[in-house]
This record gives sequence, C-alpha cells and structure tokens, in this order.
Amino acid sequence: GQSLEQPSEVTAVEGAIVQINCTYQTSGFYGLSWYQQHDGGAPTFLSYNALDGLEETGRFSSFLSRSDSYGYLLLQELQMKDSASYFCAAPGDNYGQNFVFGPGTRLSVLP
Amino acid sequence: SQTIHQWPATLVQPVGSPLSLECTVEGTSNPNLYWYRQAAGRGLQLLFYSVGIGQISSEVPQNLSASRPQDRQFILSSKKLLLSDSGFYLCAWSTGTGSNQPQHFGDGTRLSIL
Repeated sequence: GQSLEQPSEVTAVEGAIVQINCTYQTSGFYGLSWYQQHDGGAPTFLSYNALDGLEETGRFSSFLSRSDSYGYLLLQELQMKDSASYFCAAPGDNYGQNFVFGPGTRLSVLP
Repeated sequence: SQTIHQWPATLVQPVGSPLSLECTVEGTSNPNLYWYRQAAGRGLQLLFYSVGIGQISSEVPQNLSASRPQDRQFILSSKKLLLSDSGFYLCAWSTGTGSNQPQHFGDGTRLSIL
C-alpha cells in the first residue's frame, strides 16, 4: 500500500514563513510533488523533488529526505493569495503509473 | 500550448440516473489521463487512469467506469448513480509516467446527487 500524511491546517500571518510537512509510506518511490488548490478551483502543480535536498522556485521551496520518507513545502513572504490547500503527491505502486495524493493542508494567511 | 477541457462544470442528477462526464486534451499526444474525485474539504482520490487508447486501470471498486475511445478523450460513466457518487470530479493529464511529470487538471465538475 501507499499513504501520505500531512497536517490538516496551518495558520500564519502575511510576510511570515510557513512549512508544510509530508511523510509518506510507499513500497517504491518515484519522487514527491506538491500542488496548490484554491477554494473551488483545480489543483495546480508547484514543485517536484526526485532527490534529497531543497528545490527553490521563487517564494516556494520544497525539500525531500528519502531516508526519512519526509518532505516539506516552504512558503516565504506569505501573501493573502497563498491561502489555499496544499497537497503532497507521489506516484503509486504500479511502476509510477498511478498517483496518490495526501489529504491536504489548509493554509490560512491572516493580515 | 496544451489545454484540457472538462464539462459540464456543474451537474445535478437524481439517484439511479446515468452519468457521462467528458474530458479532452489538446496540444499533446499520447498523454496519461486520470479521473479523480474529491469530497468537500478532502484530498483527491484517484478513480481511473489510462496510459493509452482502450487501456483503463481502476484504483478502487466502485459504481463508475471509464473509457478512452480516442487518444485525447477520457470519459467517466455510470449506469445508475448513488448518493455517495456526489463530489468534485477532476480530470488530469500528464506527459508519460514518472513523478517528474506534473499533472495538469481541468476545471472540474461538481456533481450533486439528489
């Protein structure tokens, strides 16, 4: 089987830094992705990590530690528009053809 | 550029009625195609995926079926809807397999069963 776990909610203020964690259990591993979903909208791809370390894309960074089966999404200089749900995701057991999403973390950015 | 179209945006259906949701992708060939369902405030559950025409894999036993009659067309169907089929249905595509291939989602269909 395969599962990913995330905190259900995170709250932070504008301009702050927030970290959203994701732990996973998989029989095989093909990398960890992150998606953002605003209320009522479709998920959009943010970042991907195949190897250990930090990947930076503007205000967003994503980190992976394969030995710890752990990753996180780091959001810096938070803006109100960053209020959304964030999902980690990984390819599934079927040679990476299927896909499994975490339950999502709801981020609320306060003024 | 690639685009994905999913319709209708909202749908209200009575219990026991049939269902057909359609998804088409433009601007790419031989995409991987996916159908997800999302309950309110929850994560995405993969229902079906397809790596080629006529090739459908089901992730969970359910009241739904999927078909891929053309390379860039993916259809989600049911013969008789249940109340538990309510949810937000999302179609997605990616370029081949591998986790370095981001999934691109359509705008989704909100399905309410009465």
